[in-house]
Amino acid sequence: ETGVTQSPTHLIKTRGQQVTLRCSSQSGHNTVSWYQQALGQGPQFIFQYYREEENGRGNFPPRFSGLQFPNYSSELNVNALELDDSALYLCASSLVGVDEQYFGPGTRLTVT
Amino acid sequence: QQPVQSPQAVILREGEDAVINCSSSKALYSVHWYRQKHGEAPVFLMILLKGGEQKGHDKISASFNEKKQQSSLYLTASQLSYSGTYFCGTENGAAGNKLTFGGGTRVLVKP
Repeated sequence: ETGVTQSPTHLIKTRGQQVTLRCSSQSGHNTVSWYQQALGQGPQFIFQYYREEENGRGNFPPRFSGLQFPNYSSELNVNALELDDSALYLCASSLVGVDEQYFGPGTRLTVT
Repeated sequence: QQPVQSPQAVILREGEDAVINCSSSKALYSVHWYRQKHGEAPVFLMILLKGGEQKGHDKISASFNEKKQQSSLYLTASQLSYSGTYFCGTENGAAGNKLTFGGGTRVLVKP
């Protein structure tokens, strides 16, 4: 059984650019949630995907968007990057109806 | 609304006990506890559900007080491996793991 994987590990972008982060869910998990974790803070919920549709969204602007694919992997896209978008982006997978949620190692995004 | 964790940090000697609290201003449906080591992903410890019982994982256990809208995590006979930042994530209803996390409690266990 493979765990949650994310790519890339680190990324440096310039303000105004666009970025795509990728997540492969744990084997058998059909729900993927994305979180943003600023340095020294707890993760903040961005959105969740289930059956390839957005299934709930946190307090993030529309320039944060996502996709889920038939194999349950997911992408997080951020347009018009701002300096405050610099953070660790975590994805977490779970099986609908089961409460445990498992996190990937994260992608460290730095916006300069 | 973000749950409040206390204390913000605690330093322990190996073998000592500690309690970490997670309080919400709203009624809680579930509380999820994670531990995150520096540079690593948060690791799932346990979930407590409304109406549920106290749970344990090795020498780490937790309780859920619905009336006080609070959960407590108990580190018993702490080990060096318990060092890290502990986060509680809460749900106010059955929302399917859309968690609101607290600010974290840094735990350092010294030999």
